[in-house]
Amino acid sequence: GAGVSQTPSNKVTEKGKYVELRCDPISGHTALYWYRQSLGQGPEFLIYFQGTGAADDSGLPNDRFFAVRPEGSVSTLKIQRTERGDSAVYLCASSSTGPLYNEQFFGPGTRLTVL
Amino acid sequence: AQKVTQAQTEISVVEKEDVTLDCVYETRDTTYYLFWYKQPPSGELVFLIRRNSFDEQNEISGRYSWNFQKSTSSFNFTITASQVVDSAVYFCALSGFSGSARQLTFGSGTQLTVLP
Repeated sequence: GAGVSQTPSNKVTEKGKYVELRCDPISGHTALYWYRQSLGQGPEFLIYFQGTGAADDSGLPNDRFFAVRPEGSVSTLKIQRTERGDSAVYLCASSSTGPLYNEQFFGPGTRLTVL
Repeated sequence: AQKVTQAQTEISVVEKEDVTLDCVYETRDTTYYLFWYKQPPSGELVFLIRRNSFDEQNEISGRYSWNFQKSTSSFNFTITASQVVDSAVYFCALSGFSGSARQLTFGSGTQLTVLP
């Protein structure tokens, strides 16, 4: 079966530009997570969706970052006025939901480079 | 707030040696989950193990074993008879227990290099 997919795999942009990163979760997974991994660091949590709504966006670094999941499946992470410090690998993960723990399955990531 | 510390930035061993990766965590939660993930050079995160905080039994899976000690807030990972294919970055992570708190807090990772 298909895993979590992310597009594009690589994105190079110039400082100040707007970018969109897409995540296709595993079919039927209601929970979706975005993480950011800077070079030499562990992934850092950005935002968590339960269905269509953002259940926790406490990890978004500032208001240039925004994410949506309008139909409860595909999610888009949007970054406005990109800065060089936004360069990182952006990881998406999805899981099913229930009272017991449901493993997060990670996608391959989108490597964003801001020149 | 939750925090995971992996003090070993890089470890290098020769094939067939045993190696232990350390992980220390901080949390105010009384129940939580702990994890280890592997990130090979390809970049994709590979889930290795999950433990919940009320199960302190050590676990062994093939060449891998995990030692969870709640008293010292540690969750260490040992690879026995290491192989070159074990070379990767290993991350320890922590999450809350309830459904709304399962976002992962990762450590900064340990780069393991196994030399032939």
